[in-house]
Amino acid sequence: AQSVTQLGSHVSVSEGALVLLRCNYSSSVPPYLFWYVQYPNQGLQLLLKYTSAATLVKGINGFEAEFKKSETSFHLTKPSAHMSDAAEYFCAVTPRSDKLIFGTGTRLQVFP
Amino acid sequence: GAVVSQHPSWVICKSGTSVKIECRSLDFQATTMFWYRQFPKQSLMLMATSNEGSKATYEQGVEKDKFLINHASLTLSTLTVTSAHPEDSSFYICSARDHNTDTQYFGPGTRLTVL
Repeated sequence: AQSVTQLGSHVSVSEGALVLLRCNYSSSVPPYLFWYVQYPNQGLQLLLKYTSAATLVKGINGFEAEFKKSETSFHLTKPSAHMSDAAEYFCAVTPRSDKLIFGTGTRLQVFP
Repeated sequence: GAVVSQHPSWVICKSGTSVKIECRSLDFQATTMFWYRQFPKQSLMLMATSNEGSKATYEQGVEKDKFLINHASLTLSTLTVTSAHPEDSSFYICSARDHNTDTQYFGPGTRLTVL
């Protein structure tokens, strides 16, 4: 069975600081992995995805994530946080059966 | 990028009435669409997988007679909440799968409030 664990339901950083949102996955087959962002009262926007090509994936808004098979991780990072990054972030995995399995989400707060 | 729309964005209805929510893929064809439900400050819960031209596949615990799904074309899926009750109040989000990119693109969501 596939699953996703997001460590830390809340993360707070200062503007300009490094953002690190953690995601660990469990999958019996090589997975596809995704990070989505959700702003209040909106749907989900795709930040980036891993589909078995390069292990370091660059996404929109300066975010990137690295697929580490040995650690079964797909952590999301951004070198310098901006106030507009404050949102809910979801990691998701699919075993290529169409269904997305979401983590519980991490709320990112950015302080000035 | 791929765009998915939902209509309406919010709806308020009386208990016992039915509400229809539309989900459209605007610039790609989607043989598969998904309907999710999201409670406040929680993750998305998959309700059903909508397949164009065939019956939807419902997740365990989701009442198929209450949440009617129709996927009549490659760009449109509808979710009808029948005989709505206050406990059906929630944020409903659809997504459409672009088979060319193996990626789900999400609609902006519909907030349903049942009085």
